[in-house]
Amino acid sequence: GENVEQHPSTLSVQEGDSAVIKCTYSDSASNYFPWYKQELGKGPQLIIDIRSNVGEKKDQRIAVTLNKTAKHFSLHITETQPEDSAVYFCAASSAGGTSYGKLTFGQGTILTVHP
Amino acid sequence: DTEVTQTPKHLVMGMTNKKSLKCEQHMGHRAMYWYKQKAKKPPELMFVYSYEKLSINESVPSRFSPECPNSSLLNLHLHALQPEDSALYLCASSPGVRGGTEAFFGQGTRLTVV
Repeated sequence: GENVEQHPSTLSVQEGDSAVIKCTYSDSASNYFPWYKQELGKGPQLIIDIRSNVGEKKDQRIAVTLNKTAKHFSLHITETQPEDSAVYFCAASSAGGTSYGKLTFGQGTILTVHP
Repeated sequence: DTEVTQTPKHLVMGMTNKKSLKCEQHMGHRAMYWYKQKAKKPPELMFVYSYEKLSINESVPSRFSPECPNSSLLNLHLHALQPEDSALYLCASSPGVRGGTEAFFGQGTRLTVV
């Protein structure tokens, strides 16, 4: 089955700095890679995603890059703000017929943005 | 609207109790999921419903019993749980039943088994 590794496990930055979180996956059949932000006491919120036919996607201060050959993808947050502090999870999903959209998550990154 | 609504938000139950968790979405999504999340861990898939039929059971103990009464509702019936079953239970839904489509999560039910 799919295995997703996520690094770093914790990340501390100053407000205004950039933050980068990296993930690797094992299953070459995976073709959908979402990122979730989870604040304390809440469910995961989809913040950005990328499909395997695209190398990069941006949405305001966040961007995701994908390297299919190396099987890794990254989340980039620029101009970080204290409200970006949360746990971030990467995930991978396969479009295979029996997967039914099953998401395999990384272990999570605790991002802390200091004012 | 990408809202998945879960009730209750918090639940405390004894090991001999029977309770149910409820999940509702009105986005017309065809796939619905139950995930379990322990503290400081990622969500772990429990069940997948596709077109109201159980498609995946990730070897979940029978004390957890899912039910999909219609395309908008998903229930998780709980019976004879153990303290180690205490966790955040998350419901999610997705437009498609194949992979590669967005999954939207509810806020979860924080379950404590005493």
